Amino acid sequence: DARVTQTPRHKVTEMGQEVTMRCQPILGHNTVFWYRQTMMQGLELLAYFRNRAPLDDSGMPKDRFSAEMPDATLATLKIQPSEPRDSAVYFCASGSLRDRGTGELFFGEGSRLTVL
Amino acid sequence: AQKITQTQPGMFVQEKEAVTLDCTYDTSDQSYGLFWYKQPSSGEMIFLIYQGSYDEQNATEGRYSLNFQKARKSANLVISASQLGDSAMYFCAMRGPLINNFNKFYFGSGTKLNVKP
Repeated sequence: DARVTQTPRHKVTEMGQEVTMRCQPILGHNTVFWYRQTMMQGLELLAYFRNRAPLDDSGMPKDRFSAEMPDATLATLKIQPSEPRDSAVYFCASGSLRDRGTGELFFGEGSRLTVL
Repeated sequence: AQKITQTQPGMFVQEKEAVTLDCTYDTSDQSYGLFWYKQPSSGEMIFLIYQGSYDEQNATEGRYSLNFQKARKSANLVISASQLGDSAMYFCAMRGPLINNFNKFYFGSGTKLNVKP
């Protein structure tokens, strides 16, 4: 049963600390997205990769957020330094996108981050 | 620009009745895809149903059907015979065309559905 795996599921940290969230996309998927979900903003697109190359990370606060995909089985989202306003659920999603056909995104279970 | 609009922040439906969740979208592209996802209280995002812009028939998946009205740019989700387990947040999403070897996804703000026993 292929699925997107995210770690950690829950993280509580103090302001100023570094946070790294990891995602293992479904094998064979060539596109990876990072989303942030909050009550106020809903689902916000932070960054996305195609074939491991970052295509757009304009949704991320550049001074503190960074996203990488060191290999096809791992995507990372790093926040340094973290701030209370970063508290949210962070989702990773992967897919094999195309012009037609289903090509839905498969989401991980999310990483719930709380910054005190 | 707002691409996906879900105008119903919350809805109630009686168990076993049908319910329609509204979704309108904005695009000038000819090729796009429309999706509905369910997010129960546990937090995961579950893919429900897909409709391609070129598909002439409305998509159906079990108790879910997508009422696709292309001219009106609407893609409403119909859930028949509601069950208590249908209580969740529902998101409408649109996949844009393949440009530069990439599709963009846009999500609506969601509709919280509560099924009453």
